[in-house]
Amino acid sequence: EAGVTQFPSHSVIEKGQTVTLRCDPISGHDNLYWYRRVMGKEIKFLLHFVKESKQDESGMPNNRFLAERTGGTYSTLKVQPAELEDSGVYFCASSPAGAYGYTFGSGTRLTVV
Amino acid sequence: AQSVTQPDIHITVSEGASLELRCNYSYGATPYLFWYVQSPGQGLQLLLKYFSGDTLVQGIKGFEAEFKRSQSSFNLRKPSVHWSDAAEYFCAVGTLKAAGNKLTFGGGTRVLVKP
Repeated sequence: EAGVTQFPSHSVIEKGQTVTLRCDPISGHDNLYWYRRVMGKEIKFLLHFVKESKQDESGMPNNRFLAERTGGTYSTLKVQPAELEDSGVYFCASSPAGAYGYTFGSGTRLTVV
Repeated sequence: AQSVTQPDIHITVSEGASLELRCNYSYGATPYLFWYVQSPGQGLQLLLKYFSGDTLVQGIKGFEAEFKRSQSSFNLRKPSVHWSDAAEYFCAVGTLKAAGNKLTFGGGTRVLVKP
Protein backbone atom coordinates (compact mmCIF):
# COMPACT_ATOMS: atom_id res chain seq x y z
CA GLU A 1 0.00 0.00 0.00
CA ALA A 2 1.32 3.43 -0.92
CA GLY A 3 1.83 5.75 2.00
CA VAL A 4 0.93 9.39 2.37
CA THR A 5 2.66 11.31 -0.38
CA GLN A 6 3.54 14.97 -0.21
CA PHE A 7 5.07 17.17 -2.84
CA PRO A 8 7.12 19.02 -3.42
CA SER A 9 9.55 17.77 -0.79
CA HIS A 10 11.23 21.17 -0.76
CA SER A 11 10.16 24.60 -1.94
CA VAL A 12 12.03 27.87 -1.81
CA ILE A 13 10.02 30.97 -2.70
CA GLU A 14 10.32 34.68 -2.26
CA LYS A 15 8.26 36.64 0.19
CA GLY A 16 5.00 37.68 -1.42
CA GLN A 17 4.83 34.75 -3.82
CA THR A 18 2.27 31.97 -3.75
CA VAL A 19 3.01 28.34 -3.01
CA THR A 20 0.76 25.31 -3.19
CA LEU A 21 1.57 22.16 -1.28
CA ARG A 22 -0.08 18.89 -2.17
CA CYS A 23 -0.91 15.81 -0.13
CA ASP A 24 -2.11 12.48 -1.46
CA PRO A 25 -3.48 10.43 1.44
CA ILE A 26 -3.61 6.67 1.60
CA SER A 27 -6.39 5.51 -0.69
CA GLY A 28 -9.69 5.15 1.12
CA HIS A 29 -8.70 7.26 4.12
CA ASP A 30 -11.50 9.67 4.97
CA ASN A 31 -9.50 11.70 7.46
CA LEU A 32 -6.77 14.03 6.29
CA TYR A 33 -4.76 16.33 8.55
CA TRP A 34 -2.28 19.12 8.02
CA TYR A 35 0.36 19.99 10.60
CA ARG A 36 3.24 22.43 10.53
CA ARG A 37 6.56 22.74 12.29
CA VAL A 38 8.09 26.16 12.29
CA MET A 39 11.82 26.21 13.01
CA GLY A 40 12.56 25.50 16.66
CA LYS A 41 8.94 25.11 17.63
CA GLU A 42 6.52 22.28 18.19
CA ILE A 43 4.62 20.49 15.45
CA LYS A 44 1.24 22.19 15.41
CA PHE A 45 -2.13 21.15 14.07
CA LEU A 46 -3.49 23.21 11.19
CA LEU A 47 -6.68 21.51 10.08
CA HIS A 48 -8.62 18.30 9.61
CA PHE A 49 -10.74 17.15 6.69
CA VAL A 50 -13.31 14.40 6.75
CA LYS A 51 -13.68 13.51 3.10
CA GLU A 52 -14.06 16.88 1.38
CA SER A 53 -15.38 18.76 4.41
CA LYS A 54 -13.34 20.79 6.88
CA GLN A 55 -13.99 19.23 10.28
CA ASP A 56 -11.67 21.47 12.25
CA GLU A 57 -9.62 24.38 10.96
CA SER A 58 -8.87 25.93 14.32
CA GLY A 59 -5.11 25.76 13.76
CA MET A 60 -4.98 27.73 10.52
CA PRO A 61 -2.81 30.75 11.33
CA ASN A 62 -4.53 33.38 9.18
CA ASN A 63 -6.42 33.92 5.96
CA ARG A 64 -3.31 33.69 3.83
CA PHE A 65 -3.66 29.92 4.17
CA LEU A 66 -6.27 28.08 2.14
CA ALA A 67 -6.78 24.34 2.26
CA GLU A 68 -8.94 22.31 -0.05
CA ARG A 69 -9.67 18.67 -0.55
CA THR A 70 -11.12 18.01 -3.94
CA GLY A 71 -13.60 15.15 -4.08
CA GLY A 72 -12.36 13.82 -0.79
CA THR A 73 -9.12 12.63 -2.33
CA TYR A 74 -5.93 14.70 -2.44
CA SER A 75 -5.58 17.97 -0.58
CA THR A 76 -3.79 21.21 -1.32
CA LEU A 77 -2.58 23.87 1.05
CA LYS A 78 -2.02 27.24 -0.57
CA VAL A 79 -0.13 30.07 1.04
CA GLN A 80 -0.79 33.44 -0.59
CA PRO A 81 1.10 35.67 -0.17
CA ALA A 82 3.89 33.86 1.65
CA GLU A 83 5.65 35.58 4.53
CA LEU A 84 9.02 34.80 6.12
CA GLU A 85 7.36 33.32 9.21
CA ASP A 86 5.62 30.70 7.07
CA SER A 87 8.92 28.86 6.63
CA GLY A 88 8.87 25.41 8.15
CA VAL A 89 7.96 21.82 7.47
CA TYR A 90 4.38 21.06 6.54
CA PHE A 91 3.19 17.55 7.31
CA CYS A 92 0.13 15.78 6.05
CA ALA A 93 -1.40 12.70 7.65
CA SER A 94 -4.35 10.45 6.92
CA SER A 95 -6.42 7.79 8.64
CA PRO A 96 -9.46 5.64 7.94
CA ALA A 97 -12.83 6.63 9.39
CA GLY A 98 -13.04 5.80 13.09
CA ALA A 99 -9.32 5.16 13.49
CA TYR A 100 -7.39 6.64 16.39
CA GLY A 101 -3.96 6.77 14.85
CA TYR A 102 -2.74 8.10 11.59
CA THR A 103 0.06 7.86 9.04
CA PHE A 104 2.20 10.88 8.27
CA GLY A 105 3.83 11.84 5.03
CA SER A 106 7.47 12.87 4.87
CA GLY A 107 6.62 16.56 4.81
CA THR A 108 7.27 19.56 2.60
CA ARG A 109 10.04 21.89 3.70
CA LEU A 110 9.03 25.42 2.79
CA THR A 111 11.57 28.22 2.86
CA VAL A 112 10.44 31.78 2.30
CA VAL A 113 13.27 34.20 1.55
CA ALA B 1 -5.93 22.90 27.07
CA GLN B 2 -3.64 19.97 26.57
CA SER B 3 0.12 20.38 26.42
CA VAL B 4 3.21 18.21 26.16
CA THR B 5 6.68 18.93 27.49
CA GLN B 6 9.83 17.17 26.44
CA PRO B 7 12.44 18.61 28.80
CA ASP B 8 15.49 17.40 26.89
CA ILE B 9 16.16 19.11 23.58
CA HIS B 10 19.25 17.03 22.81
CA ILE B 11 20.55 13.76 24.19
CA THR B 12 23.82 12.06 23.29
CA VAL B 13 24.14 8.36 24.01
CA SER B 14 26.78 5.77 23.18
CA GLU B 15 25.84 2.90 20.93
CA GLY B 16 24.78 -0.05 23.06
CA ALA B 17 23.84 2.12 26.02
CA SER B 18 20.31 2.54 27.28
CA LEU B 19 18.14 5.49 26.33
CA GLU B 20 15.30 7.20 28.16
CA LEU B 21 13.40 10.16 26.74
CA ARG B 22 11.14 12.11 29.03
CA CYS B 23 7.64 13.29 28.27
CA ASN B 24 5.21 15.08 30.56
CA TYR B 25 1.70 15.97 29.52
CA SER B 26 -1.15 18.06 30.76
CA TYR B 27 -4.61 16.86 29.87
CA GLY B 28 -7.96 17.05 31.62
CA ALA B 29 -9.18 13.56 30.83
CA THR B 30 -7.67 10.17 30.15
CA PRO B 31 -4.92 10.89 27.66
CA TYR B 32 -4.26 9.14 24.45
CA LEU B 33 -0.45 9.18 24.09
CA PHE B 34 1.98 8.61 21.26
CA TRP B 35 5.66 8.55 20.51
CA TYR B 36 6.79 9.34 16.96
CA VAL B 37 10.25 9.30 15.46
CA GLN B 38 11.58 11.32 12.56
CA SER B 39 14.78 10.10 10.98
CA PRO B 40 16.67 12.43 8.65
CA GLY B 41 14.76 12.93 5.41
CA GLN B 42 11.85 10.84 6.59
CA GLY B 43 8.33 11.49 7.80
CA LEU B 44 6.99 10.93 11.28
CA GLN B 45 6.82 7.24 12.11
CA LEU B 46 4.68 5.94 14.93
CA LEU B 47 6.73 4.04 17.52
CA LEU B 48 3.95 3.21 19.96
CA LYS B 49 0.71 4.45 21.45
CA TYR B 50 -1.26 4.18 24.67
CA PHE B 51 -5.02 4.32 25.05
CA SER B 52 -5.76 2.31 28.18
CA GLY B 53 -4.91 -0.96 29.86
CA ASP B 54 -1.39 -2.10 30.57
CA THR B 55 0.69 0.94 31.41
CA LEU B 56 3.83 -0.52 29.83
CA VAL B 57 3.51 -0.33 26.08
CA GLN B 58 5.74 -2.12 23.61
CA GLY B 59 6.48 -0.54 20.27
CA ILE B 60 8.51 -1.07 17.16
CA LYS B 61 12.31 -1.07 16.93
CA GLY B 62 12.67 -2.33 20.50
CA PHE B 63 11.16 0.74 22.15
CA GLU B 64 8.80 0.74 25.09
CA ALA B 65 7.05 3.46 27.08
CA GLU B 66 5.48 3.56 30.50
CA PHE B 67 2.39 5.59 31.33
CA LYS B 68 2.43 6.98 34.87
CA ARG B 69 -0.76 8.82 35.64
CA SER B 70 0.45 10.07 39.03
CA GLN B 71 3.42 11.77 37.38
CA SER B 72 1.64 12.75 34.14
CA SER B 73 4.50 11.11 32.28
CA PHE B 74 4.96 8.82 29.31
CA ASN B 75 8.69 8.20 29.08
CA LEU B 76 10.20 6.29 26.19
CA ARG B 77 12.96 3.75 26.73
CA LYS B 78 15.24 1.46 24.81
CA PRO B 79 17.67 -0.89 26.57
CA SER B 80 20.40 -0.83 23.92
CA VAL B 81 20.66 1.90 21.33
CA HIS B 82 21.77 1.29 17.74
CA TRP B 83 23.37 3.89 15.48
CA SER B 84 20.18 3.89 13.39
CA ASP B 85 18.24 5.26 16.38
CA ALA B 86 19.80 8.68 15.81
CA ALA B 87 16.73 10.77 15.05
CA GLU B 88 14.31 13.24 16.54
CA TYR B 89 11.63 11.87 18.84
CA PHE B 90 8.26 13.44 19.52
CA CYS B 91 5.77 12.76 22.25
CA ALA B 92 2.15 13.67 21.54
CA VAL B 93 -1.21 13.62 23.30
CA GLY B 94 -4.51 13.32 21.50
CA THR B 95 -8.19 13.31 22.10
CA LEU B 96 -10.05 10.05 21.82
CA LYS B 97 -12.79 10.87 19.37
CA ALA B 98 -13.96 8.69 16.54
CA ALA B 99 -14.64 11.80 14.49
CA GLY B 100 -11.00 12.69 14.30
CA ASN B 101 -8.07 13.26 16.54
CA LYS B 102 -6.03 16.37 16.87
CA LEU B 103 -2.59 15.75 18.30
CA THR B 104 -0.63 18.12 20.51
CA PHE B 105 3.11 17.55 20.21
CA GLY B 106 6.05 18.23 22.45
CA GLY B 107 9.01 20.14 21.13
CA GLY B 108 10.98 17.01 20.31
CA THR B 109 14.21 15.45 21.57
CA ARG B 110 17.08 15.01 19.16
CA VAL B 111 19.13 11.88 19.86
CA LEU B 112 22.73 11.61 18.77
CA VAL B 113 24.38 8.18 18.94
CA LYS B 114 28.14 8.00 19.49
CA PRO B 115 30.04 4.99 18.14
